[in-house]
Amino acid sequence: KQEVTQIPAALSVPEGENLVLNCSFTDSAIYNLQWFRQDPGKGLTSLLLIQSSQREQTSGRLNASLDKSSGRSTLYIAASQPGDSATYLCAVGSNQAGTALIFGKGTTLSVSS
Amino acid sequence: EADIYQTPRYLVIGTGKKITLECSQTMGHDKMYWYQQDPGMELHLIHYSYGVNSTEKGDLSSESTVSRIRTEHFPLTLESARPSHTSQYLCASGQWADFNSPLHFGNGTRLTVT
Repeated sequence: KQEVTQIPAALSVPEGENLVLNCSFTDSAIYNLQWFRQDPGKGLTSLLLIQSSQREQTSGRLNASLDKSSGRSTLYIAASQPGDSATYLCAVGSNQAGTALIFGKGTTLSVSS
Repeated sequence: EADIYQTPRYLVIGTGKKITLECSQTMGHDKMYWYQQDPGMELHLIHYSYGVNSTEKGDLSSESTVSRIRTEHFPLTLESARPSHTSQYLCASGQWADFNSPLHFGNGTRLTVT
C-alpha cells in the first residue's frame, strides 16, 4: 500500500531564505506526483505536477524534482516571502483516473518578515 | 478565482439531521471527487465520479452518498449526521482526457455535528 511521508511537519524561516520541502513515497510505481498549497480554512491549489517520466518541473520561484527510484520528491522555494506561508501537500498518483491519489500530511511553512 | 464552488462554507448541525453539501464546477470536467480532511491529517477519498450517472466509493469508508445527474454538479448527502462526521469536506474535479492535468479543489465545507 502506497504511503506518503512529508518531512518536516513544520518549518519556520526568515524572509529571503531558500528552502526545501521533502516528500517520500514507498511504492515507486507512480503515475505522477503533485505538490499543492493549502491556506488555512481553504481548499488546495495545485502548484506543480510532475509526470512519472519527468525529473523536475518549475514555476516561478518553485522547483519540484522527482526521483522515482528512491521514492523521493523535493519542492524548492527560492527567496521565500511571507506570502508563501501555508501548508504544502504532496500527493502521489498511482493510476490514470486519479482515484489513487495518496496525500501526505503536509509541511506547514511560516515565513517571517 | 475558484472555478469549483462548495456551499455552505461552514455548517453546524445537530445529530440526526439530514444534510447535503453542494459542489459545482464550471470547467466541464468529467472527473469529480469528494475528500475528507481532519486537522493535521491526510486527505482521504470518500467518493468519486467519472461522469454523469457514474459514482463510486473511495478508499475511506463513509456513510455519505453522492449523485451525479449533471456534469457540473456533485452533491454529497448525509442521511443522519453524527458527531463522528465532524470534519472538512473538499470537492475536486479534473479532466478525464488529460490524465496528467492537476486537480482543482473547492474551498471546502467545514462540518460540525453537535
